[in-house]
Amino acid sequence: ETVLAQSPATLSLSPGERATLSCRASQSVSRYLAWYQQRPGQAPRLLIYDASNRATGIPARFTGSGSGTDFTLTISSLEPEDFAVYYCQQRSDWPPTFGPGTKVDIK
Amino acid sequence: EVQLVESGGGLVQPGGSLRLSCAASGFTFNNHGMYWVRQAPGKGLEHVSGITSNGDGTSYANSVKGRFTISRDNSENMLYLQMGSLRTEDMAVYYCARVGATREFDYWGQGTLVTVSS
Repeated sequence: ETVLAQSPATLSLSPGERATLSCRASQSVSRYLAWYQQRPGQAPRLLIYDASNRATGIPARFTGSGSGTDFTLTISSLEPEDFAVYYCQQRSDWPPTFGPGTKVDIK
Repeated sequence: EVQLVESGGGLVQPGGSLRLSCAASGFTFNNHGMYWVRQAPGKGLEHVSGITSNGDGTSYANSVKGRFTISRDNSENMLYLQMGSLRTEDMAVYYCARVGATREFDYWGQGTLVTVSS
């Protein structure tokens, strides 16, 4: 099973700042990595698939990058609605696994 | 508009059973694999079970294998999860999720809460 580690656990930033979130896999997942956003009390929402492709309707301020074992989600300028928990997920092997999440909260 | 609506959650005693349902609409249901993903209170996301688009293939997390059964009715656009021998550690919000074209989870329902307690 591929284990995903996310860092930092919590990121405290102000609106307008840049957020950089990391996801590291225990073995190569090629580019088969997705990012999800979960706001409080809501279901997860797909942001990025295959490492760098934005899902339908996702704003351009969200950018995914990386391959192999190291991946990054960048939010270029935080909007109030972006304060949430972000999860990475791999589909390279079975079972699909999720990282523990990074909480982006307001500084 | 793609919609996934779960139901069937509730309070059940340890050792009990429950069946979750997920009603799908707004897309061609039998073109997509489907998954159940759960989230324990204050915790992260965990894959529970998946099923192929025509139902001929299923997968289960080791933690639920032999206790849970996933199924689907493509004529009714419904996904199910039959849960048995429930444990306190099964307590979670259960989400159904659609598998997208590149096998990501592209749409999620709002979730249904399963509470296991005596």
